[in-house]
Amino acid sequence: NAGVMQNPRHLVRRRGQEARLRCSPMKGHSHVYWYRQLPEEGLKFMVYLQKENIIDESGMPKERFSAEFPKEGPSILRIQQVVRGDSAAYFCASSPRVGEKLFFGSGTQLSVL
Amino acid sequence: TQLLEQSPQFLSIQEGENLTVYCNSSSVFSSLQWYRQEPGEGPVLLVTVVTGGEVKKLKRLTFQFGDARKDSSLHITAAQPGDTGLYLCAGDSRGGGSNYKLTFGKGTLLTVNP
Repeated sequence: NAGVMQNPRHLVRRRGQEARLRCSPMKGHSHVYWYRQLPEEGLKFMVYLQKENIIDESGMPKERFSAEFPKEGPSILRIQQVVRGDSAAYFCASSPRVGEKLFFGSGTQLSVL
Repeated sequence: TQLLEQSPQFLSIQEGENLTVYCNSSSVFSSLQWYRQEPGEGPVLLVTVVTGGEVKKLKRLTFQFGDARKDSSLHITAAQPGDTGLYLCAGDSRGGGSNYKLTFGKGTLLTVNP
């Protein structure tokens, strides 16, 4: 019974490159949430997606960040033209329905050189 | 902006001791959750408290939600090395039971020494 799967676990990018973070929710879960944990900060909500729809992106930076959850395949968090300030742990969570318990993945640690 | 302040930030104790960690805010939350996070892993939900004054017990862990729903505490009795980890509290910012737009505190890093 696989949990929420995130890959890669570690991602190193140089400034200006693109970062793609993947999240496969638990089986039967159609709601996906992305959080970011900056150094010395608490986890912060970024975006909530359901299959093929962005429900709430109020926590996403307005530029360079985008997220999708296609009908088939994992959810993708994409960061274009990364900067050093994007270095953080990015966590994905899923739930079977909104309002229910969130199950978090192990995260992707993004390091921007 | 709703903030959750957790204290202490770090706590190192001996096996068998009791401890309490706190989560405080100036804002009211519709619910408050406690998570434990191990190094290199995501947070795992321990408990959700919803009603002001509510007390929930999970084996040696006792969680309390303040009457005004602005603060919470976690008490661990007879701590064991397996309790070591980062304890996070999180409040439901959006309310209405949506439970996805959580505001997290920075956590209390607990170390229980054998």
